[in-house]
Amino acid sequence: AQSVSQHNHHVILSEAASLELGCNYSYGGTVNLFWYVQYPGQHLQLLLKYFSGDPLVKGIKGFEAEFIKSKFSFNLRKPSVQWSDTAEYFCAVNKASGTYKYIFGTGTRLKVLA
Amino acid sequence: GAVVSQHPSWVICKSGTSVKIECRSLDFQATTMFWYRQFPKQSLMLMATSNEGSKATYEQGVEKDKFLINHASLTLSTLTVTSAHPEDSSFYICSAVGGGISYNEQFFGPGTRLTVL
Repeated sequence: AQSVSQHNHHVILSEAASLELGCNYSYGGTVNLFWYVQYPGQHLQLLLKYFSGDPLVKGIKGFEAEFIKSKFSFNLRKPSVQWSDTAEYFCAVNKASGTYKYIFGTGTRLKVLA
Repeated sequence: GAVVSQHPSWVICKSGTSVKIECRSLDFQATTMFWYRQFPKQSLMLMATSNEGSKATYEQGVEKDKFLINHASLTLSTLTVTSAHPEDSSFYICSAVGGGISYNEQFFGPGTRLTVL
């Protein structure tokens, strides 16, 4: 079955710490990959996306993610987090062609301590 | 570009009443719209896929007669929660996909918080 796993459900970091959130997917064929962020009380915002090309993708707010096809992974990273990064982070996958339907991971709740 | 709006942003209703939520693509034509439900501290659950001019495709376990979806134009889809009950209280989010923007990426609305008393 198609699925997306985010193994870290809750992460607590101090400001300036480095962040890596895991995302693994189980999906046949070519995929598109996304990371979204949801700040408290706000709607989903796209952080970054991968369709093709360079597997290291840079997004907004200093985030980046690396697509490792052999590991079916698309981990999100940030070298130095800020208090304002406190939010929930969702990984999503869809087929590169077809219905555009996303499969979302369960989300990772990040809390950054000032 | 690629802005999706939802109206209302929040609604409180009495049990047994129906509530309509609108999802609009403001600056592009949405060939496909999606409706999600998000419970507190949980991920988004896809409810249905809506294509303009055709019947919505519901995910397994979602009651078609309970959650009526209409995609009457390329910029508007509506979700009507019929005979709402407290267990329908949730955060409802729509997204849209449109030609000319990106066929692969969904653009999300800000969500509608429904509280059924």
